[in-house]
Amino acid sequence: DAGVTQSPTHLIKTRGQQVTLRCSPKSGHDTVSWYQQALGQGPQFIFQYYEEEERQRGNFPDRFSGHQFPNYSSELNVNALLLGDSALYLCASSIQARSYNEQFFGPGTRLTVL
Amino acid sequence: AQSVTQPDIHITVSEGASLELRCNYSYGATPYLFWYVQSPGQGLQLRLKYFSGDTLVQGIKGFEAEFKRSQSSFNLRKPSVHWSDAAEYFCAVYGQNFVFGPGTRLSVLP
Repeated sequence: DAGVTQSPTHLIKTRGQQVTLRCSPKSGHDTVSWYQQALGQGPQFIFQYYEEEERQRGNFPDRFSGHQFPNYSSELNVNALLLGDSALYLCASSIQARSYNEQFFGPGTRLTVL
Repeated sequence: AQSVTQPDIHITVSEGASLELRCNYSYGATPYLFWYVQSPGQGLQLRLKYFSGDTLVQGIKGFEAEFKRSQSSFNLRKPSVHWSDAAEYFCAVYGQNFVFGPGTRLSVLP
């Protein structure tokens, strides 16, 4: 049973560019959440997708957008990249019906903005 | 609003010594509480979770955590640390969404 997978592993972009990160949830999971983890900090919640809709959003600008597909996989898009967007981006999957919402994390995508 | 504090940025212990990592949270209702561990370059792996019931929670690899409502704390403990326990530890609270603390880096001396 594959866990949460993310691609690519590493990515280097320049300021002003756009980037797309991808996530496949754990088998049987229907909810995907995205987090940004800056160096030396804890993960910060970006948003959560369920039934192909954004259900919750953290304190991130509209430059950060996402999508969920019918197979529950998800994409995170960041436009007009800033140096401060350099971070590890983590995807987590869970089952919406479970109230405690235990989340399983992928290995992350390391984004470097030059 | 939810928040999590982990007062210790970095802790160093000798192998075989006991360990306690502190976590304090802020949330209006009874929260769901978690401890995650992250090794360098890796994602987060769950060590412990508290939803309700017994306030002393047993996890894998000999870890345990105690929920104390009066102190708004969920401290992680282990009686005897192994070198493989060296990692970054994150406490998290789930109320409306997941909020993580800043993390405590654990180093283990041989």
